[in-house]
Amino acid sequence: ILNVEQSPQSLHVQEGDSTNFTCSFPSSNFYALHWYRWETAKSPEALFVMTLNGDEKKKGRISATLNTKEGYSYLYIKGSQPEDSATYLCAFIYNQGGKLIFGQGTELSVKP
Amino acid sequence: DAGVIQSPRHEVTEMGQEVTLRCKPISGHNSLFWYRQTMMRGLELLIYFNNNVPIDDSGMPEDRFSAKMPNASFSTLKIQPSEPRDSAVYFCASSLSGGALGEQFFGPGTRLTVL
Repeated sequence: ILNVEQSPQSLHVQEGDSTNFTCSFPSSNFYALHWYRWETAKSPEALFVMTLNGDEKKKGRISATLNTKEGYSYLYIKGSQPEDSATYLCAFIYNQGGKLIFGQGTELSVKP
Repeated sequence: DAGVIQSPRHEVTEMGQEVTLRCKPISGHNSLFWYRQTMMRGLELLIYFNNNVPIDDSGMPEDRFSAKMPNASFSTLKIQPSEPRDSAVYFCASSLSGGALGEQFFGPGTRLTVL
């Protein structure tokens, strides 16, 4: 059974705080990892697609790292803003076919 | 581009009725995915297509569920007969490069309620 775990389940921070959360996945048969941002009442939006061990991606104040050997990825948000409030999902892919296995997400709430 | 289009946005039906959900992927995308979101199980992949061909339908819960993609610009997910436990939000997504490396673009979802 392929299991993708995200922690913490929820996170409450103050505006301006930097934060990070974790996605853990099976280290064997790794093919790719996706990060998505999902705002309430909207649809998931892709943040990053990561494939290489040691990969680091950045988009504005959000960045992500990948360790395929130990099976984890970190998502970092620098200087959180209220508009960053959303659920952040990671999805693991174990073959070229493209079937994504999603974690349950980390729900981030940023208070002004 | 209008993005992924799904219809209807909301559907309320009675147990035993047939339900058809529709999806129009982004033009030029060659992969299409159907997901179901529930509180209990989160976001689950039901089935996906590459170049209109179903690749993996292992997530389809049971024979009451079927999906088709008759052409590159249209797909349907059908539930017949529907049951209350099918109540969920159903998302359709498409991607350009297909497979594992293409980021997926999600539609707005169809919220299905089966009474």
